[in-house]
Amino acid sequence: AQTVTQSQPEMSVQEAETVTLSCTYDTSESDYYLFWYKQPPSRQMILVIRQEAYKQQNATENRFSVNFQKAAKSFSLKISDSQLGDAAMYFCAYRSEDNYGQNFVFGPGTRLSVLP
Amino acid sequence: EAGVTQSPTHLIKTRGQQATLRCSPISGHTSVYWYQQALGLGLQFLLWYDEGEERNRGNFPPRFSGRQFPNYSSELNVNALELEDSALYLCASSLGDRFYNEQFFGPGTRLTVL
Repeated sequence: AQTVTQSQPEMSVQEAETVTLSCTYDTSESDYYLFWYKQPPSRQMILVIRQEAYKQQNATENRFSVNFQKAAKSFSLKISDSQLGDAAMYFCAYRSEDNYGQNFVFGPGTRLSVLP
Repeated sequence: EAGVTQSPTHLIKTRGQQATLRCSPISGHTSVYWYQQALGLGLQFLLWYDEGEERNRGNFPPRFSGRQFPNYSSELNVNALELEDSALYLCASSLGDRFYNEQFFGPGTRLTVL
């Protein structure tokens, strides 16, 4: 079974600084997607960024970028120029499809605090 | 465009009762997903519906069930409530059933079992 691990329950960063959130996963599949979701205190979960396993190039969305290391099964999220609005729970998620259906796995989350 | 909506926002039940949670997907989305988020834990996948059919189910007992209506809205039913069912239940929808489709989440229903 697939697993997703986020080893940092809590992180903090100074406003305008850069922070990296870690995520590792375990799978035997070759085709899958990885996602980072953000859940602010208001609870609405939103997609931050996604990466297809077959793509070598790391995904980037404005201040958010990932470091995808397929062989190491690592998928870290880098937030540059951190803003107060970045404070939230961040979940790393894995999704794939095999002969038995689709697999959905979320990590336990990392709570990010942004210090003014 | 309206996002995913869920009702009620909060629900308080006692052990042994039944709870019904509702979800309306984004217009045009055919897939609806249900997740349980217990305090301090990540999201645990519960159920996935697409085009009115149950497509996949997470590792939960049969007392967790649901359905999807012709208008693609969905209902999650939890029978014989137990204390450990207390959690935030999130619904998400996506356009189509491909595994790379982005999921859009609702605000959740907070279920408390006393």
